[in-house]
Amino acid sequence: GAVVSQHPSRVICKSGTSVKIECRSLDFQATTMFWYRQFPKKSLMLMATSNEGSKATYEQGVEKDKFLINHASLTLSTLTVTSAHPEDSSFYICSARYGTGTDTQYFGPGTRLTVL
Amino acid sequence: GNSVTQMEGPVTLSEEAFLTINCTYTATGYPSLFWYVQYPGEGLQLLLKATKADDKGSNKGFEATYRKETTSFHLEKGSVQVSDSAVYFCARTTGTASKLTFGTGTRLQVTL
Repeated sequence: GAVVSQHPSRVICKSGTSVKIECRSLDFQATTMFWYRQFPKKSLMLMATSNEGSKATYEQGVEKDKFLINHASLTLSTLTVTSAHPEDSSFYICSARYGTGTDTQYFGPGTRLTVL
Repeated sequence: GNSVTQMEGPVTLSEEAFLTINCTYTATGYPSLFWYVQYPGEGLQLLLKATKADDKGSNKGFEATYRKETTSFHLEKGSVQVSDSAVYFCARTTGTASKLTFGTGTRLQVTL
């Protein structure tokens, strides 16, 4: 149980284009989803927290207009990297948490974004 | 602030050796503590957790005990296998939204 999927697993795009990454909780309803960015051989950096039906809360230093997050349902959150540039190339990982009585997050397999 | 400090890697061990990966956290609030494992090219998998002082989390032969007096949550395994080769992340919850703060990760390489 508690499986989280991400799509696509890897994407290559041209500079200036936008890329959408989907995060789905497959066997549970996720009241909260989180988006992280992981740089090579580095730890995970939390970008934003999203609750179903409300606006995402972004961490300090993360541009909300560049990284658009939508959490339209209890099983789906999307991250759109707008006008992507090479410095946006990274490994993006989502996680999901179900209910308010638990603090355990279940992670997706990640999406490798390469911007040319 | 809230932070997690892990021992620098990589850690290289022979199969069946004893493993310890140190993790300490800042003593703010009453965090839950976690160990996650990341295999090459994959996302993070929850390995074990502990929610209060003196709790012991265990899974797949790995153990970690929540030590409030030393603000530590060291990961141990009595006999590692080649398949345990991965990056291990220690994490704590932060704030009321239960966000996670991660350590920098420790790469474990187990050889035959």
